[in-house]
Amino acid sequence: EAQVTQNPRYLITVTGKKLTVTCSQNMNHEYMSWYRQDPGLGLRQIYYSMNVEVTDKGDVPEGYKVSRKEKRNFPLILESPSPNQTSLYFCASSLRGDGYEQYFGPGTRLTVT
Amino acid sequence: GNSVTQMEGPVTLSEEAFLTINCTYTATGYPSLFWYVQYPGEGLQLLLKATKADDKGSNKGFEATYRKETTSFHLEKGSVQVSDSAVYFCALSAYSGAGSYQLTFGKGTKLSVIP
Repeated sequence: EAQVTQNPRYLITVTGKKLTVTCSQNMNHEYMSWYRQDPGLGLRQIYYSMNVEVTDKGDVPEGYKVSRKEKRNFPLILESPSPNQTSLYFCASSLRGDGYEQYFGPGTRLTVT
Repeated sequence: GNSVTQMEGPVTLSEEAFLTINCTYTATGYPSLFWYVQYPGEGLQLLLKATKADDKGSNKGFEATYRKETTSFHLEKGSVQVSDSAVYFCALSAYSGAGSYQLTFGKGTKLSVIP
């Protein structure tokens, strides 16, 4: 089944404790991206990747890191999480960047206390 | 930078009513335009798209036309059903330089359809 998977689905952590949210797709897509969804703000793009070893900042990259060492994986790293990073996070992938459907993962709900 | 503005919600309609959700955008060049839908507790899924001016995207009775002259991509459906209750997001994909494309989403419009 073609899908985007994220882990974990739910995470409660404390300020400053490094964490990684994994994202994997099995569709051989070139484009992958991370979003955060907050009430009243909609979806905002954090980082995106056009292909392996190519990453770019989205609208809200501060406090996040990403890497794209393999085509299928695009982990999101929070080196020192803070409470303002409490949010619902979505990973997505598409065949290419322009004009193609984004396939979204199920979401990761992160709470930083 | 690029931006997408869509009508504030929530929107509550009776079953079989006509739906319009307005969406306007600001972008350089020639963006592709999308409507995504999010059902409760789920991720987003594509509803329809249009990649050039005057294109009409359609799916499941929903339609939207890419209007470059008014920079708009309004979502319409002639007769909504209870199962259409969800949050709807307008989005664009635009060239951001060096071979990259960035996606920008609106804030979402929550639709509730009552029997």
